[in-house]
Amino acid sequence: GEDVEQSLFLSVREGDSSVINCTYTDSSSTYLYWYKQEPGAGLQLLTYIFSNMDMKQDQRLTVLLNKKDKHLSLRIADTQTGDSAIYFCAETTNAGGTSYGKLTFGQGTILTVHP
Amino acid sequence: KAGVTQTPRYLIKTRGQQVTLSCSPISGHRSVSWYQQTPGQGLQFLFEYFSETQRNKGNFPGRFSGRQFSNSRSEMNVSTLELGDSALYLCASSPGRRPNNEQFFGPGTRLTVL
Repeated sequence: GEDVEQSLFLSVREGDSSVINCTYTDSSSTYLYWYKQEPGAGLQLLTYIFSNMDMKQDQRLTVLLNKKDKHLSLRIADTQTGDSAIYFCAETTNAGGTSYGKLTFGQGTILTVHP
Repeated sequence: KAGVTQTPRYLIKTRGQQVTLSCSPISGHRSVSWYQQTPGQGLQFLFEYFSETQRNKGNFPGRFSGRQFSNSRSEMNVSTLELGDSALYLCASSPGRRPNNEQFFGPGTRLTVL
């Protein structure tokens, strides 16, 4: 079955890099996503990576995927206090049927950025 | 392009009542998914609608139901509310042509059951 795991907390200093890690179990995972949730808000899609890619860079965000180990990471360069939020990784497959519209989420990592 | 909107933003109900939540997707998106977010269980998939048809369903009791209209707006209904139904209910829209289209979320409806 599908399972996505994340570490619960990460604390960094402003200006440092943050690395948020995620592991998943479903070998048929096709797309892997990173979402950000600020207090009282919905989920904001940050970036995603297709399973045949190793890396994707988007401005301050770098996503690394190790498909063999089923490990995904999100690196935020030059972390700012405005980056403080909960970060979720999520996965979906291209299998059709029971995968339509369904994202499986990790439990979220609370990122705290100190001035 | 306007984002996903959800109404109402906050609701307070008592046990045994029923509630209807509404979601308007991004213009042109035909798929709407619903999720329940609680501190204990995290984000859990409820169901997905595409072109007025339910294509997928999560592991929730039959008290949770939904529908989608011809303009792609969707509603979800929870009947016979229980205390454990207190949660943030999020809907997400996507073009929906492929299972793995990226999903864009609304701000959510915070439901409190007393």
